[in-house]
Amino acid sequence: QQQVKQSPQSLIVQKGGIPIINCAYENTAFDYFPWYQQFPGKGPALLIAIRPDVSEKKEGRFTISFNKSAKQFSLHIMDSQPGDSATYFCAASDRGSTLGRLYFGRGTQLTVWP
Amino acid sequence: ETGVTQSPTHLIKTRGQQVTLRCSSQSGHNTVSWYQQALGQGPQFIFQYYREEENGRGNFPPRFSGLQFPNYSSELNVNALELDDSALYLCASSPMASSLETQYFGPGTRLLVL
Repeated sequence: QQQVKQSPQSLIVQKGGIPIINCAYENTAFDYFPWYQQFPGKGPALLIAIRPDVSEKKEGRFTISFNKSAKQFSLHIMDSQPGDSATYFCAASDRGSTLGRLYFGRGTQLTVWP
Repeated sequence: ETGVTQSPTHLIKTRGQQVTLRCSSQSGHNTVSWYQQALGQGPQFIFQYYREEENGRGNFPPRFSGLQFPNYSSELNVNALELDDSALYLCASSPMASSLETQYFGPGTRLLVL
């Protein structure tokens, strides 16, 4: 059973657009929600993360919005660039469980056209 | 500060063989987790090692085993390889006296089982 559901599977935007990737979870014990960026042939790199005590977090052009009641969170990429073309994964973990085991979504392949 | 490194980068094995993958954690990190990433999927948690002991396991059979050494480096061993074991195997390390959810991934080992 997929603990974290991610959509869309793929996304194409033009340079300067604002792609939005959505994730949903069921386990209310989850209390840490990171986003990872992965380029072909590379391991995932931590992009930004949020805890459920805040509704929004910004780091540069990347913003996480978090809706605790709906059990949903999303990634927004402002002023997207061709270099942002990669696969993005949302994840979740429960600090009370196995020292931060991460449950990943299936990923969103983002393409930013110049 | 060196990042997480993994070896080898690529590996081809035949069904029934055994394989050992290696991971060197980032300096100052004492927790290592292993993930399996099938093509087009998000990483799936295999197990985690903390202070040389297995500290939690995902839904993987016992033919997946591991070790952690005193210098915090780690090995993943897979016996009796099956075709479905073909995947990218990722190692992630977490800092010593810090939030254990912040996992830093290596570039992975691409395993192909024929």
